[in-house]
Amino acid sequence: AQSVAQPEDQVNVAEGNPLTVKCTYSVSGNPYLFWYVQYPNRGLQFLLKYITGDNLVKGSYGFEAEFNKSQTSFHLKKPSALVSDSALYFCAVRDMLDTGNQFYFGTGTSLTVIP
Amino acid sequence: GAGVSQTPSNKVTEKGKYVELRCDPISGHTALYWYRQSLGQGPEFLIYFQGTGAADDSGLPNDRFFAVRPEGSVSTLKIQRTERGDSAVYLCASSDIAGAREQYFGPGTRLTVT
Repeated sequence: AQSVAQPEDQVNVAEGNPLTVKCTYSVSGNPYLFWYVQYPNRGLQFLLKYITGDNLVKGSYGFEAEFNKSQTSFHLKKPSALVSDSALYFCAVRDMLDTGNQFYFGTGTSLTVIP
Repeated sequence: GAGVSQTPSNKVTEKGKYVELRCDPISGHTALYWYRQSLGQGPEFLIYFQGTGAADDSGLPNDRFFAVRPEGSVSTLKIQRTERGDSAVYLCASSDIAGAREQYFGPGTRLTVT
């Protein structure tokens, strides 16, 4: 079965410090992995994705994520957090072998950047 | 260009009533998805269209839920005999093709069943 786990409901970080939002996944085949951000009263916005190739992928707003196959993880990172990064972050996975094209989302991590 | 739009933004209905939720995807996007998001949860897959056909409807919770996309653009999610447990935010997303492409989400329709 395919699934995504975001073990932290809430992450707090001081402005200017590095941030990490954790994600682990489970798929039968190889994964397509995505991060989305949701601001209050707004739709989910795409941040970055891993399909194949380099394990470190860079995305919007200075975010990056590292694919680790052995640990089945895809943690979101940013070297220096901004107050404006405060939002709800979702990790999602799709199994390359899934002909139904279903995406599975985690339960989300609320990030608060403290000024 | 215009993003994904959803109407209405909010819908309050009584238990047992029928509702329709509309999604207008980004022009030219052939793949369209419906999700349901309950409070404190991530989006839960309901159905995926490729063009006019429902390529995967395995996420629909029961036969009270149905969705159509007759011309391969606008889609309507239909819920019959609504129940209080149907209350959630219903999200629509589209992508230019299926597979590894990122999805573009609409703002959602908040459905409340009283």
